[in-house]
Amino acid sequence: EAQVTQNPRYLITVTGKKLTVTCSQNMNHEYMSWYRQDPGLGLRQIYYSMNVEVTDKGDVPEGYKVSRKEKRNFPLILESPSPNQTSLYFCASSSRAGVHGYTFGSGTRLTVV
Amino acid sequence: QQQVKQSPQSLIVQKGGIPIINCAYENTAFDYFPWYQQFPGKGPALLIAIRPDVSEKKEGRFTISFNKSAKQFSLHIMDSQPGDSATYFCAGYKLSFGAGTTVTVRA
Repeated sequence: EAQVTQNPRYLITVTGKKLTVTCSQNMNHEYMSWYRQDPGLGLRQIYYSMNVEVTDKGDVPEGYKVSRKEKRNFPLILESPSPNQTSLYFCASSSRAGVHGYTFGSGTRLTVV
Repeated sequence: QQQVKQSPQSLIVQKGGIPIINCAYENTAFDYFPWYQQFPGKGPALLIAIRPDVSEKKEGRFTISFNKSAKQFSLHIMDSQPGDSATYFCAGYKLSFGAGTTVTVRA
């Protein structure tokens, strides 16, 4: 089944404790992207990647890191999480042309206390 | 830095009404104009999309109209139903999304 897999689905952590949210896709998509969703603010792009070793900042990259060492994986790293990073996070992928739309993961609900 | 600007922020219509959501884009290199639908607690899902070589596309009760000269595309929900109540997003270049429109259809 074609899908984007995010883990974990739920995470509660403490301020300053490094964490990684994983994202993996099995569709051989070139494009991958991370978003955070907060009430009333829609989907804000954190980082995106157009291919292996090619990443770029989105609208709200501060406090986040990403890497794209393999085509299928695009982890989101929070080196020192803070409470303002409490949010719902989505990973998505798309073929280069995007003709079949973006496929989203199921989301990761992160709470930083 | 948002590649697309979406309006309005929210809409309330009666059942059978036609909510219309607009999206303005900047980058003319983009050649794929999609709308996504999101229900609470779920990830967005592709609803309908259009290529710039056509001005309108219909899928069921959902219609996209595209205006290349104005750099805008719109979503119309015909004969809206309470089950259409959701948040709708347009998407643009480099996988950026609009801010979303919350549509509420009252019975």
